[in-house]
Amino acid sequence: AQSVTQLGSHVSVSEGALVLLRCNYSSSVPPYLFWYVQYPNQGLQLLLKYTSAATLVKGINGFEAEFKKSETSFHLTKPSAHMSDAAEYFCAVNLSGGYQKVTFGIGTKLQVIP
Amino acid sequence: DTGVSQDPRHKITKRGQNVTFRCDPISEHNRLYWYRQTLGQGPEFLTYFQNEAQLEKSRLLSDRFSAERPKGSFSTLEIQRTEQGDSAMYLCASSSDGGKDEQYFGPGTRLTVT
Repeated sequence: AQSVTQLGSHVSVSEGALVLLRCNYSSSVPPYLFWYVQYPNQGLQLLLKYTSAATLVKGINGFEAEFKKSETSFHLTKPSAHMSDAAEYFCAVNLSGGYQKVTFGIGTKLQVIP
Repeated sequence: DTGVSQDPRHKITKRGQNVTFRCDPISEHNRLYWYRQTLGQGPEFLTYFQNEAQLEKSRLLSDRFSAERPKGSFSTLEIQRTEQGDSAMYLCASSSDGGKDEQYFGPGTRLTVT
């Protein structure tokens, strides 16, 4: 079985402040982990992915995430928030070994305050 | 390559009617997925195809739902005798082989059942 838990359905940060979106996973085998972003009335766009290579993963738009096995976490960060980062962010897990059923978290809506 | 496309983008139907949605994946992708997303939730897996074979169906996919991918290219999702609870965003995604390969999402079809 696999699952992800996103802590905080809504997060507000000031423009220029650190963005930290939390994700913890549960997986019976080494996981593949993903962060997606969704803008209103659009599909999901991949920000970054972890596939058992480097534990610190850099993605698009200045986002990065660190895989911490001991904490079963894959938190998403960005040093300085921009107004255009306001969106909903989803953490997702997929079991390694080719099994393709991706499980998504409930999402975290990020608000950026000018 | 124009990415994953879905048609229609919006559908309003009366309860009891049948609806059909279409998804065109990225051309070289042999895996195709359908998800349902309701307000405030992450995408929930419905079903997935590898080429034309439907390999897994979620318990969410009741007998009123059917999906096909007859030639291993585009896919259709049909909902018969729609109910108000079917109102949601229906997302299609595609990927190439391998669990580490991210899924590319279409813009979704928003279904409203009145």
